[in-house]
Amino acid sequence: DAKTTQPTSMDCAEGRAANLPCNHSTISGNEYVYWYRQIHSQGPQYIIHGLKNNETNEMASLIITEDRKSSTLILPHATLRDTAVYYCIVTATGANSKLTFGKGITLSVRP
Amino acid sequence: EADIYQTPRYLVIGTGKKITLECSQTMGHDKMYWYQQDPGMELHLIHYSYGVNSTEKGDLSSESTVSRIRTEHFPLTLESARPSHTSQYLCASSVRQGSYEQYFGPGTRLTVT
Repeated sequence: DAKTTQPTSMDCAEGRAANLPCNHSTISGNEYVYWYRQIHSQGPQYIIHGLKNNETNEMASLIITEDRKSSTLILPHATLRDTAVYYCIVTATGANSKLTFGKGITLSVRP
Repeated sequence: EADIYQTPRYLVIGTGKKITLECSQTMGHDKMYWYQQDPGMELHLIHYSYGVNSTEKGDLSSESTVSRIRTEHFPLTLESARPSHTSQYLCASSVRQGSYEQYFGPGTRLTVT
């Protein structure tokens, strides 16, 4: 699996958009970008995933650059409950694929 | 809400005891996983299964063992607990093909004294 690079931490104000960057310069053509988050040592929660097109769901938007070497997770209106560790993971989706969680980025949403 | 359950949620046990951490899911998922996570540290995959009677070791070596006799059940066993086994253990499941969305249980926080 390709490796990802994320900043260690960031913060944003409640109600503002949180833009979480991720670099994955060695991503292969069949590998997807997945985002999970983990709130205070609970089990991680799936957020969104994409291959090359931008994706949006009720939780977030995922913007992937045209060369697929980086992506940004956007939480459009961050709340205090969004404070968590966010993991960017790159993996193929074959039957035998696995997720490798790195250190992630700690997002702190301030009042 | 994901239908994946782990028991117990918290366990404090003495050195040398045998323990089994339970994990069950009602989604009919073929794939199941066990992760280990120390406080403030990364999650590490220690075991996974592609289906009944299939078990594989993960990326992090672990003294624990697992079994998969039924699709919905994936217990983890430590034959002789040691203080170094103190950690949080998280179970997850996913479909075998297609989207790689894993559903996680709430975890078991194990303390070995």
